[in-house]
Amino acid sequence: QSALTQPASVSGSPGQSITISCTGTSSDVGGSDYVSWYQQFPGKAPKLIIFEVSSRPSGVSHRFSGSKSANTASLTISGLQTDDEADYICSSYTSINTILFGGGTKLTVL
Amino acid sequence: QVTLRESGPALLKPTQTLTLTCTFSGFSLNTTGMCVSWIRQPPGKALEWLALVDWDDDKYYSTSLETRLTISKDTSKNQVVLKMTNMDPIDTATYYCARIFHASVTYGVDVWGQGTTVTVAS
Repeated sequence: QSALTQPASVSGSPGQSITISCTGTSSDVGGSDYVSWYQQFPGKAPKLIIFEVSSRPSGVSHRFSGSKSANTASLTISGLQTDDEADYICSSYTSINTILFGGGTKLTVL
Repeated sequence: QVTLRESGPALLKPTQTLTLTCTFSGFSLNTTGMCVSWIRQPPGKALEWLALVDWDDDKYYSTSLETRLTISKDTSKNQVVLKMTNMDPIDTATYYCARIFHASVTYGVDVWGQGTTVTVAS
């Protein structure tokens, strides 16, 4: 199984919105309601920010939203803030009872 | 409060077997829907899911590593153990223990351990 495909980097200015894509196959993203997104700062463990494609854990800002179309899931961050600068990683449950992660996307807030 | 803590050797030689222990508190692995998973991250690289054990003692493994991995649980000690055989320098990574609780977040990790760094070198 190959990792899910994410862009290596994205950037945006404070106040703008950005979207990070996560592309898989019909055996994972396309066939799963269980796509999650994580935020990770250097040297720290990841933090869950989106689960089940578009749900937010309590305490996570409404500026983070998730969606999915066919084999691609997306994370949108609106009203970018400087402290959003981090790595963002997607994951998906698969049809063979495994979990796949994406390669991660480094967000730079200019 | 839910916490998980990884423990194990920081340094291994090639071909040795890695044994990592996850000690957790704040939840029970006897609870329906509860799972503990192991995930690793090589320096500067992506997360890689390794294995999962659930409340029913069902076990699931990464297809690329399943011949080398064994996961087990001891609910009386609140521990999950991961063994990985035939370690190689490419297995150098931070290894995370993580909770998945389907009643709240299906197949998503809602609580992570702090991670333990394992280096494989001769």
